[in-house]
Amino acid sequence: AQTVTQSQPEMSVQEAETVTLSCTYDTSENNYYLFWYKQPPSRQMILVIRQEAYKQQNATENRFSVNFQKAAKSFSLKISDSQLGDTAMYFCAFKNTNAGKSTFGDGTTLTVKP
Amino acid sequence: NAGVMQNPRHLVRRRGQEARLRCSPMKGHSHVYWYRQLPEEGLKFMVYLQKENIIDESGMPKERFSAEFPKEGPSILRIQQVVRGDSAAYFCASSPGPFGAYEQYFGPGTRLTVT
Repeated sequence: AQTVTQSQPEMSVQEAETVTLSCTYDTSENNYYLFWYKQPPSRQMILVIRQEAYKQQNATENRFSVNFQKAAKSFSLKISDSQLGDTAMYFCAFKNTNAGKSTFGDGTTLTVKP
Repeated sequence: NAGVMQNPRHLVRRRGQEARLRCSPMKGHSHVYWYRQLPEEGLKFMVYLQKENIIDESGMPKERFSAEFPKEGPSILRIQQVVRGDSAAYFCASSPGPFGAYEQYFGPGTRLTVT
């Protein structure tokens, strides 16, 4: 069974600075997808970024980028130029290519301070 | 294109009552997933359904919980004889296809409170 671990329950960052959220996972599969979701106080789950395991190039979406280390089974999220609206809970998730379900970590609560 | 819809958004039930949570997937999506989020925790997979079929129910509690996705109408997650421990946010997600790279689009969730 796959597991996803987010070792930082809470983090904070000053507005306009950069922050990195950590995620590690455990799997014996070779083909899979990794995701970062944002859950603001509204509780709506919003996809931030995704990475295909077969791609060596790290995914980037505007101010959000990942550092994907397949051998180390690490998938961290970097948020550049942090904004107040980035304040939310962030979840790392794993999805096997051959399975429908996603496995989520327990989340990191990020607070962006003005 | 409307997103995934869930209703009700908030549901209060007394212990022993039944809870019915509804999920209408995005237009064109025939795959539905239910997840449960307990306070201060991540989402835990419960069940994956395709129209009229349960594909994976490995995360469903063995008793009191059931799910369906009929040919017509929304997917229903049913919890019989609710207990306090069932209090949680229940999220539904949908995708256009099975497995693979298809992204799961999440609904806003139903917050169930058992008193």
